[in-house]
Amino acid sequence: AQKVTQAQTEISVVEKEDVTLDCVYETRDTTYYLFWYKQPPSGELVFLIRRNSFDEQNEISGRYSWNFQKSTSSFNFTITASQVVDSAVYFCALSEARGKLIFGQGTTLQVKP
Amino acid sequence: EPEVTQTPSHQVTQMGQEVILRCVPISNHLYFYWYRQILGQKVEFLVSFYNNEISEKSEIFDDQFSVERPDGSNFTLKIRSTKLEDSAMYFCASKGTSGVYNEQFFGPGTRLTVL
Repeated sequence: AQKVTQAQTEISVVEKEDVTLDCVYETRDTTYYLFWYKQPPSGELVFLIRRNSFDEQNEISGRYSWNFQKSTSSFNFTITASQVVDSAVYFCALSEARGKLIFGQGTTLQVKP
Repeated sequence: EPEVTQTPSHQVTQMGQEVILRCVPISNHLYFYWYRQILGQKVEFLVSFYNNEISEKSEIFDDQFSVERPDGSNFTLKIRSTKLEDSAMYFCASKGTSGVYNEQFFGPGTRLTVL
């Protein structure tokens, strides 16, 4: 069965601190896709990144970076120099070829000024 | 940029009433999904739809739920007799077939409140 675990329920940091959100997944498929979504207080789901199971290259996009490690089934997300606008709920998700997304429980990030 | 739209943004209904949530997926997409998110909880898969039929559904998607693509553009989720526990945000998503990635594009959601 597929499963996504985000062990951190809530994280609180002070602006400009770096913060890492953890994500661990389980799947028996060899082909799968991993995602991160941001859900601001307004409620919509904002796509941040996707990774397929054959691409373990880490990625950096501005202040965001992602570390995908198949050996530990982890897909962690780091925000460098956090800002108040980063405050949101962040969801990690997994999908197989059939397409449905399995979401983790989400991590609420609060960035204080 | 094409986007998924959902109407209404907020629906309030009485327990036992039928509701229809509407979605307009991205025009050339062929795979459609409904998810729900109870307040403060994770996003849960409800159903996927392809080629005019349900391709997969979760245990949440019982006989009270149905989906339809009535006119080739809209994708609807119907709840026949709403319960208090159906109160949630409902997200529609669509996916194209091209490319190696498996990205779903989400609509802004419909917040359903059952009183």
